[in-house]
Amino acid sequence: QVTLKESGPVLVKPTETLTLTCTVSGFSLTNARVGVSWIRQPPGKALEWLAHIFSDDEKGYSTSLKSRLTISKDTSKSQVVLTMTNMDPVDTGTYYCARSALKTIAARPPYYYMDVWGKGTTVTVSS
Amino acid sequence: DIQMTQSPSSLSASVGDRVTITCRASQRIITYLNWYQQKPGKAPDLLIFAASSLQSGVPSRFSGSGSGTDFTLTISSLQPEDFATYYCQQSFIIPYTFGQGTKLEIK
Repeated sequence: QVTLKESGPVLVKPTETLTLTCTVSGFSLTNARVGVSWIRQPPGKALEWLAHIFSDDEKGYSTSLKSRLTISKDTSKSQVVLTMTNMDPVDTGTYYCARSALKTIAARPPYYYMDVWGKGTTVTVSS
Repeated sequence: DIQMTQSPSSLSASVGDRVTITCRASQRIITYLNWYQQKPGKAPDLLIFAASSLQSGVPSRFSGSGSGTDFTLTISSLQPEDFATYYCQQSFIIPYTFGQGTKLEIK
């Protein structure tokens, strides 16, 4: 059974750095064509894709948050870590990690989708 | 970044209704389009990927279509458990942006 679990602080102060950990089970971070993505959701608002990392260490970031985000993985621990610097109250919300899959259909470049999600962790930014 | 626009933003319907939600991309994305369902307080679930491929375990009353810039998610006969918020997401170019969501409510 594939599961992902987010962990990290519930409360951070403005200007601090947030570090979130996603611990996965049921699949390996070394599997080809599988990765982990981070997505967040402010209260009552839409989903926002933040970043992903794949087995070959390929990484991608949100354009607007790229300067503040770093994603990394520790395959021996089955963990993916996301850090976000200079936290602000507008960063308050639920942060999800999800397994990202790449699937080739016909002769096209692979399709990317997030097929298993963690339950999310709530982060509040306040002094 | 590619902008994804869903319509309507909210929708009231009854059990048994046929419902269609639209998603428009600000540029051509071929069929690199996913649909997710999110219930209150829960993580999203993948419904459809590659615009029309049904994720394993998803009921066949859900279907997706479209290519280029215009896409639709159709629920053929609404069930009580389908009342939720639906999001489209493009996976053509990083960042993989989401639409603003469509909240489907009971009439």
